[in-house]
Amino acid sequence: DAKTTQPPSMDCAEGRAANLPCNHSTISGNEYVYWYRQIHSQGPQYIIHGLKNNETNEMASLIITEDRKSSTLILPHATLRDTAVYYCIVRVAGTGTASKLTFGTGTRLQVTL
Amino acid sequence: NAGVTQTPKFQVLKTGQSMTLQCAQDMNHEYMSWYRQDPGMGLRLIHYSVGAGITDQGEVPNGYNVSRSTTEDFPLRLLSAAPSQTSVYFCASSPWGQGENIQYFGAGTRLSVL
Repeated sequence: DAKTTQPPSMDCAEGRAANLPCNHSTISGNEYVYWYRQIHSQGPQYIIHGLKNNETNEMASLIITEDRKSSTLILPHATLRDTAVYYCIVRVAGTGTASKLTFGTGTRLQVTL
Repeated sequence: NAGVTQTPKFQVLKTGQSMTLQCAQDMNHEYMSWYRQDPGMGLRLIHYSVGAGITDQGEVPNGYNVSRSTTEDFPLRLLSAAPSQTSVYFCASSPWGQGENIQYFGAGTRLSVL
């Protein structure tokens, strides 16, 4: 699996957009970018994933660069409840392989008033 | 649906004791796994299973056993607990072999070994 690099921490004012970057320069053509988050003491929660195109769901948007070497998770209107550690994970999806996720240390997002 | 249910939520053991952490899912997922998370660190994979009767080791399997007799249940056994196994344990499940995989996690079991 490709290695990912994320900043250790970020701050964001409540109501503003939170943009969390992730570098994955060694990503392969069949690897997806997944984002999970972990709110304090809880189990990780899936947010969004994508392969090439930008993706949006009710929680967030995922912007993947054209060369796929980096991506940005966007929380459009951050709230205090979005304070969490955010993990960017690159992984081949399905195709008969075990769905092992390799979690790094992620980005700790602090949303403030 | 309850999703992924882990029991107990908290447990304190003495060194050398044995116990089983329970994990059950009601989503008919083929894939289940166990992770541990130490303070300030990411999750590390202990064991995983791609279906009933099939298990395999993750990156930190020593000291843990698993079995998968049904699709729903994937218990994690500590045969002789050690202080190094003090951690938070998470169970996860996902559909497998059907394309994109999204993992669903339980709330965790917080284990202290004295």
